[in-house]
Amino acid sequence: KQEVTQIPAALSVPEGENLVLNCSFTDSAIYNLQWFRQDPGKGLTSLLLIQSSQREQTSGRLNASLDKSSGRSTLYIAASQPGDSATYLCAAERRTGANNLFFGTGTRLTVIP
Amino acid sequence: GAGVSQSPSNKVTEKGKDVELRCDPISGHTALYWYRQSLGQGLEFLIYFQGNSAPDKSGLPSDRFSAERTGGSVSTLTIQRTQQEDSAVYLCASSLAGLTNEQFFGPGTRLTVL
Repeated sequence: KQEVTQIPAALSVPEGENLVLNCSFTDSAIYNLQWFRQDPGKGLTSLLLIQSSQREQTSGRLNASLDKSSGRSTLYIAASQPGDSATYLCAAERRTGANNLFFGTGTRLTVIP
Repeated sequence: GAGVSQSPSNKVTEKGKDVELRCDPISGHTALYWYRQSLGQGLEFLIYFQGNSAPDKSGLPSDRFSAERTGGSVSTLTIQRTQQEDSAVYLCASSLAGLTNEQFFGPGTRLTVL
């Protein structure tokens, strides 16, 4: 069974700092990897999706990388802002069957003004 | 355009009662998923619908849980004889099930079983 781990569980940084969130997964036979943002009491907002054949995706200040061989993905946030404060979840999609996502437990980010 | 919608947003029920949770996926999305987010458990997969195929129920925690998808669109998750451990946020997602299969999530239904 795919296991997804996110480190750290919580992170506080001052505004303007660049930061990296880490995600690791145990089964490299994934279909894609998706990063989400979740605000308190809200659903999940998709940030970036990296297909298994890709190594990275960028959207604005966000950059996600994927290294299947080592079972790792990172989410890089440049020039962090207080509005970036949220819980960030990574999820690996399995290749066969239901194609459901296996989620990590998330990193709670706080950007201090 | 409209995203995934879920209703109700909050549901409080008494132990032993049945509940129904509704999901309206993005129009045209053929795949629909139900997930559960519990405190201390993270997000876990429950059930998957793809087109007219038989659903994948491998994530359902017990036979008290069931789901339907009518006409390939709206889905209903039913929990019978609710227990306190069923308290969680139930999230629905849909996708085009194409090459990228990016999943889009609804706001969730927060279920509290007293």
